[in-house]
Amino acid sequence: QKEVEQNSGPLSVPEGAIASLNCTYSDRGSQSFFWYRQYSGKSPELIMFIYSNGDKEDGRFTAQLNKASQYVSLLIRDSQPSDSATYLCAVYGTPLVFGKGTRLSVIA
Amino acid sequence: DAGITQSPRHKVTETGTPVTLRCHQTENHRYMYWYRQDPGHGLRLIHYSYGVKDTDKGEVSDGYSVSRSKTEDFLLTLESATSSQTSVYFCAISESGNTETQYFGPGTRLLVL
Repeated sequence: QKEVEQNSGPLSVPEGAIASLNCTYSDRGSQSFFWYRQYSGKSPELIMFIYSNGDKEDGRFTAQLNKASQYVSLLIRDSQPSDSATYLCAVYGTPLVFGKGTRLSVIA
Repeated sequence: DAGITQSPRHKVTETGTPVTLRCHQTENHRYMYWYRQDPGHGLRLIHYSYGVKDTDKGEVSDGYSVSRSKTEDFLLTLESATSSQTSVYFCAISESGNTETQYFGPGTRLLVL
């Protein structure tokens, strides 16, 4: 059974700071990794995907992948109160396997 | 917007009654999925479909059945609802040729009394 682990949080950061969200996965053969954002009472929304080792940047978001350590992270720069949500890590495993999510709270 | 709708959006039912949830897509995607989301468990896959009349079980399929007679519709049926099936149910789709990236519908909140 493939597993994806995330710290449930809450992770609290002040407005303008960098929020760092982390995820580990059990299947060393996994190739595709996704980050979803879920606001309370809403459906998950895809914000980033990454396939290769290293960093991938999209606006204020950076996804980082280290396959050797089986570790994927999401950095949110200049955090805003509107970033307060639960962030779900997902790993492709026929089909996706989701972590339980990390709740982020950005304090104004 | 992946053009996914779910109906009903909210439902209250009683234990032992059958319930059918509908997922409808307008984009002709091949893959469709049903998940449930519960506190402490995250998103768990119930069933998925990779084409008309082609379905497979997910992690938590017991007590659920699915049908897909048209590309655009994927139905989830609880044959005899139980209180443990109280949950939020999400449908998701994958764009044809990109099976890995999933997009979610708005969800159905089901309460089984």
